[in-house]
Amino acid sequence: NAGVMQNPRHLVRRRGQEARLRCSPMKGHSHVYWYRQLPEEGLKFMVYLQKENIIDESGMPKERFSAEFPKEGPSILRIQQVVRGDSAAYFCASSLGRSYSGNTIYFGEGSWLTVV
Amino acid sequence: GNSVTQMEGPVTLSEEAFLTINCTYTATGYPSLFWYVQYPGEGLQLLLKATKADDKGSNKGFEATYRKETTSFHLEKGSVQVSDSAVYFCALSVLSGGSQGNLIFGKGTKLSVKP
Repeated sequence: NAGVMQNPRHLVRRRGQEARLRCSPMKGHSHVYWYRQLPEEGLKFMVYLQKENIIDESGMPKERFSAEFPKEGPSILRIQQVVRGDSAAYFCASSLGRSYSGNTIYFGEGSWLTVV
Repeated sequence: GNSVTQMEGPVTLSEEAFLTINCTYTATGYPSLFWYVQYPGEGLQLLLKATKADDKGSNKGFEATYRKETTSFHLEKGSVQVSDSAVYFCALSVLSGGSQGNLIFGKGTKLSVKP
């Protein structure tokens, strides 16, 4: 059973370009989460999705960032008009059910975005 | 609101030393508690978890006990190895206080074990 798959692992974008990060959850998992990790900092929650629905986007910046998890295909985190401050590691995670009831959240290996 | 506070690092120990990384939490409601470990350049791996008071999570020689009275979930290991060098994150998950059940992390504690 493959784990959470993220691609690309490394992405370099110039300021003003768009970054698109993909995440395929573990097989059977319908809950997907995106986190951002800035250098030397902890993980900050961005968005929580369940198939075709956004459950919680309280951690998403109001502008330039969007996320989706369509019925078919991977979850996508999209960052428009990137700026240097967007440089970070973006981690996707998935779970079978809600983690507050004890379901384990499994993480991918991350996508490292560098904005030059 | 919901939050996790863990001891600042870095922590440097000699091999076979005893490890404690403190973690306390604030939660509106009854959270599940987790420890994750991150090795350099990698994603997070679940180390252990506990879902109710007095539960003890354990894995690979690491242990943590869910203490509701002190709102703590301290990570311990009796004898660390060089291969334990990593960043350790304490986290909670709860459905209340504005949280829909996503993980809320502490800032992480970097552990370095010297031979």
